[in-house]
Amino acid sequence: DVKVTQSSRYLVKRTGEKVFLECVQDMDHENMFWYRQDPGLGLRLIYFSYDVKMKEKGDIPEGYSVSREKKERFSLILESASTNQTSMYLCASSRIPGAAYEQYFGPGTRLTVT
Amino acid sequence: QKEVEQNSGPLSVPEGAIASLNCTYSDRGSQSFFWYRQYSGKSPELIMSIYSNGDKEDGRFTAQLNKASQYVSLLIRDSQPSDSATYLCAVEVFTSGTYKYIFGTGTRLKVLA
Repeated sequence: DVKVTQSSRYLVKRTGEKVFLECVQDMDHENMFWYRQDPGLGLRLIYFSYDVKMKEKGDIPEGYSVSREKKERFSLILESASTNQTSMYLCASSRIPGAAYEQYFGPGTRLTVT
Repeated sequence: QKEVEQNSGPLSVPEGAIASLNCTYSDRGSQSFFWYRQYSGKSPELIMSIYSNGDKEDGRFTAQLNKASQYVSLLIRDSQPSDSATYLCAVEVFTSGTYKYIFGTGTRLKVLA
């Protein structure tokens, strides 16, 4: 069964803290994605990765970085958390892009920055 | 900017009726289209994918694709209160040398018992 897990369901951090969000998939998928979802704005792509140690900027990469040291794990890092990064963060994985493979999502991390 | 448009709703239908959800997209080159269902506070889950013009049926769900008119729709027959959720349309696009998925903002469906 397809499985994407995220390290935390809920997280509360203070402004200026460095925040790590972890995502692990057990499907041997090549691609992994980080999105944030905000009311009225839908899902917005932050970063994605097609292979280990590879990363590509999405539509809103500012204030974020990522790490993919192993195929199954993709981490999102908020270098210095700010209140406007309060959001639901969703990790997803898929097989090879351009081959019409579906994305599978993790349960999400609701991050609150105070 | 390649876009995917959906009516935000809410779309209210009585139990047992057909719910029709629509999505338009701007990139003529797109080949892959997906419908996701998202319950409040949960993550999106895939319902259907469609790649060819025409209809694709899976149980009570039918996806329809018209590439010439650049729209994709989802029909839910015999709607149930448990179908009440937000439905996201996603389109795979090729941009800046890579493939990405562009999501619409979703249509909220309410099925009234």
